[in-house]
Amino acid sequence: EVHLVQSGAEVKKAGESLTISCKGSGYSFTNYWIGWGRQMPGKGLEWMVIMWPMNFQVIYSPSFEGQVTVSADNSISTAYLHWASLKASDTGMYYCARARDGDFWFDPWGQGTLVTVSS
Amino acid sequence: QSALTQPASVSGSPGQSVTISCTGTSSDVGGYYFVSWYQQHPGKAPKLLIYDVFNRPSGVSNRFSASKSGNTASLTISGLQADDAADYYCNSYKRGGTYVFGSGTKVSVL
Repeated sequence: EVHLVQSGAEVKKAGESLTISCKGSGYSFTNYWIGWGRQMPGKGLEWMVIMWPMNFQVIYSPSFEGQVTVSADNSISTAYLHWASLKASDTGMYYCARARDGDFWFDPWGQGTLVTVSS
Repeated sequence: QSALTQPASVSGSPGQSVTISCTGTSSDVGGYYFVSWYQQHPGKAPKLLIYDVFNRPSGVSNRFSASKSGNTASLTISGLQADDAADYYCNSYKRGGTYVFGSGTKVSVL
């Protein structure tokens, strides 16, 4: 069975750095895109970025370019979302999801990682 | 980038049908047959309901149907059930290779 398992909740201060992870299992990790989305408290989903682990091609949503970076360690089937300097407005739930190359939908989704940033 | 436009809420009685619209532009919804729909129950991760405008993944009830006309996609839930109470989001591939979500619609079952 295919699963995406994300790292646990984080509580950080503004200005700190953070990396959260998304580990895939039950499929060939490098043959699927990994996307990341944000959901701020009480708000809707926002698309952030998508990455092709095979060659590390990355496409950022304009709203998030320069705000986060993504990477992957294919040897452990894990994708990462990184902030160099957190802001209070980064507080939210972050989800990863996968898409097969040539498909334009995402399934399944990880369980989400709650990031809380205090000012 | 702006979210696709969805009604904030829709409601219906058990057994009734409700339809959720999702309006974008020619750069996203209108330009591609790559619209998907997701259901999100409170505190849960999104779940894929529809892909490529009108296709249902295996395991998704045929009470969920969808279509697209021009820059507007639509999701219809027939035979409304209590468990259908959730938030629903459309998503579209965009010119440039990224994606955009709709603003989200809360479905209430009266």
